[in-house]
Amino acid sequence: DTAVSQTPKYLVTQMGNDKSIKCEQNLGHDTMYWYKQDSKKFLKIMFSYNNKELIINETVPNRFSPKSPDKAHLNLHINSLELGDSAVYFCASSQGVQRVQETQYFGPGTRLLVL
Amino acid sequence: EDQVTQSPEALRLQEGESSSLNCSYTVSGLRGLFWYRQDPGKGPEFLFTLYSAGEEKEKERLKATLTKKESFLHITAPKPEDSATYLCAVQEGSGYSTLTFGKGTMLLVSP
Repeated sequence: DTAVSQTPKYLVTQMGNDKSIKCEQNLGHDTMYWYKQDSKKFLKIMFSYNNKELIINETVPNRFSPKSPDKAHLNLHINSLELGDSAVYFCASSQGVQRVQETQYFGPGTRLLVL
Repeated sequence: EDQVTQSPEALRLQEGESSSLNCSYTVSGLRGLFWYRQDPGKGPEFLFTLYSAGEEKEKERLKATLTKKESFLHITAPKPEDSATYLCAVQEGSGYSTLTFGKGTMLLVSP
């Protein structure tokens, strides 16, 4: 059983399009995250949700809109895609921010290529 | 200024040749330091969490140590299957916080 899963694995699209990436975790965790990994492999936090509530929102263009229908799912919708959005997007989850041990478990990533 | 700096950026070892990777950090109020392994085309895989200076953790050929300023990931007698990018991340403060990652060390172990 996959603990953190993402769909799709690959996404190739044209500039200006709108696309969504979905994430699901079956670990029973309260907190989920979206990270972006650029071409230099640098992993950077974008958003974090705790029990469906947005708790961390880094400096990300408002073309990116996360949505959490329940605490097991966190989706990422991107409007008006730009070339610079090409990257690998990782979803992660952890037990909950109030606990000392905040090990995050990552999904397999979604490779987005904007042409 | 980067909060988490990893060195070297890349490391090539012969099978059996032990070495260490370094992760230095400048955050205050360290809550935890994490090591992950990332294989090409995959997500980061959790290895260790360290909380306090002097702490050590081991897993197979890997051993992680922590001081007040840095962490080392020691690789003893590596095998080709240890080839991967090793990522270090820190979590600071309390309440809502997340992980700040270093840029990783790409390790290649040749047979």
